Amino acid sequence: AQRVTQPEKLLSVFKGAPVELKCNYSYSGSPELFWYVQYSRQRLQLLLRHISRESIKGFTADLNKGETSFHLKKPFAQEEDSAMYYCALSGGYQKVTFGIGTKLQVIP
Amino acid sequence: ETGVTQSPTHLIKTRGQQVTLRCSSQSGHNTVSWYQQALGQGPQFIFQYYREEENGRGNFPPRFSGLQFPNYSSELNVNALELDDSALYLCASSTSRQGRSYNEQFFGPGTRLTVL
Repeated sequence: AQRVTQPEKLLSVFKGAPVELKCNYSYSGSPELFWYVQYSRQRLQLLLRHISRESIKGFTADLNKGETSFHLKKPFAQEEDSAMYYCALSGGYQKVTFGIGTKLQVIP
Repeated sequence: ETGVTQSPTHLIKTRGQQVTLRCSSQSGHNTVSWYQQALGQGPQFIFQYYREEENGRGNFPPRFSGLQFPNYSSELNVNALELDDSALYLCASSTSRQGRSYNEQFFGPGTRLTVL
């Protein structure tokens, strides 16, 4: 079975502070991990995926297979980062499993 | 190039009724996935369609069924509606080769279903 755990439903940080959104997963094989974001009144959209190894909007995420984690990080939070963030896992072919989501609130 | 569209936006049904939700995939995409998102939860995978055939299914009962048409648009049908079926239903399209969909999924705005 594949499972994604996001332990925090809400994370509040001050503008300019570092951000870390936690994600842990459970999967027996080699998963593909993603972070999706949903800004207010917008659609769910892909932020980044681990195989791309990109930094998108200043966010990075490293897959740690030993700790089965894929935490999302940004060194300096901006107000426009306020959104709902979902960690997701694709374990093979079709099924994508999403976490419960973390609401990031950046305080001005 | 148009994005993923879904209809209707909102829908109210009563328990026991049947409902059909529709999705038009993004131009050039051949794969459609459906998700159910209950309030305060992440999206849950219902099933995926690739080249008009079901290509994977989550833990949903058979009363959740779907179709994909030659133009890659799709329908989600739910029979014998239950109160717990109240949720936001999301459609996502992507490109696949031989059913392996590791490519980015583009989501529609969703259909909000309320079952009374």
